[in-house]
Amino acid sequence: GQQVMQIPQYQHVQEGEDFTTYCNSSTTLSNIQWYKQRPGGHPVFLIQLVKSGEVKKQKRLTFQFGEAKKNSSLHITATQTTDVGTYFCAAGTYKYIFGTGTRLKVLA
Amino acid sequence: KAGVTQTPRYLIKTRGQQVTLSCSPISGHRSVSWYQQTPGQGLQFLFEYFSETQRNKGNFPGRFSGRQFSNSRSEMNVSTLELGDSALYLCASSLDSSGNTIYFGEGSWLTVV
Repeated sequence: GQQVMQIPQYQHVQEGEDFTTYCNSSTTLSNIQWYKQRPGGHPVFLIQLVKSGEVKKQKRLTFQFGEAKKNSSLHITATQTTDVGTYFCAAGTYKYIFGTGTRLKVLA
Repeated sequence: KAGVTQTPRYLIKTRGQQVTLSCSPISGHRSVSWYQQTPGQGLQFLFEYFSETQRNKGNFPGRFSGRQFSNSRSEMNVSTLELGDSALYLCASSLDSSGNTIYFGEGSWLTVV
């Protein structure tokens, strides 16, 4: 079945440093979504990517969908303490397969 | 517009008991899906309902079941609870089931003792 791997599992950065998490699939994806879950909270939708090679930006966050639609990345520029949380990618059409998540800790 | 509402938020059950969790989707959303989140297994898909029909099911034992009502509200039931069922159960809704964004509720924290 479809699997979605996410790396790294954990990332500790100093405030102001950049952060990137990668999502890789064993199969071609129709779309990919990114979610953020704050500690103690629930996943919150960030963005959806659909097109091959698509790049979308949200303020300090940059999302990319690979040309082969098998991988994606989320890059945060100049992290802030408010970026703390776990970032998940999710893929699927009728049921979503979530990546294992990357837990980001930002040290002030 | 109200978000996805889940009840109860927290509950403690004893092994062998059964539990029913409720989910009210965002108004107008017809697809409701359920996920189990544990520290070790991450977010695992349980099942998805659309127009009162179960469209997809994850790899969980038959003790896990669900249903959807005509108003799109959904319930999930876990029978014969085991310690390993302790988890955050998340409900998510979307307009339909064909790749639309899913919106999560705050979840129901289940502890089995």
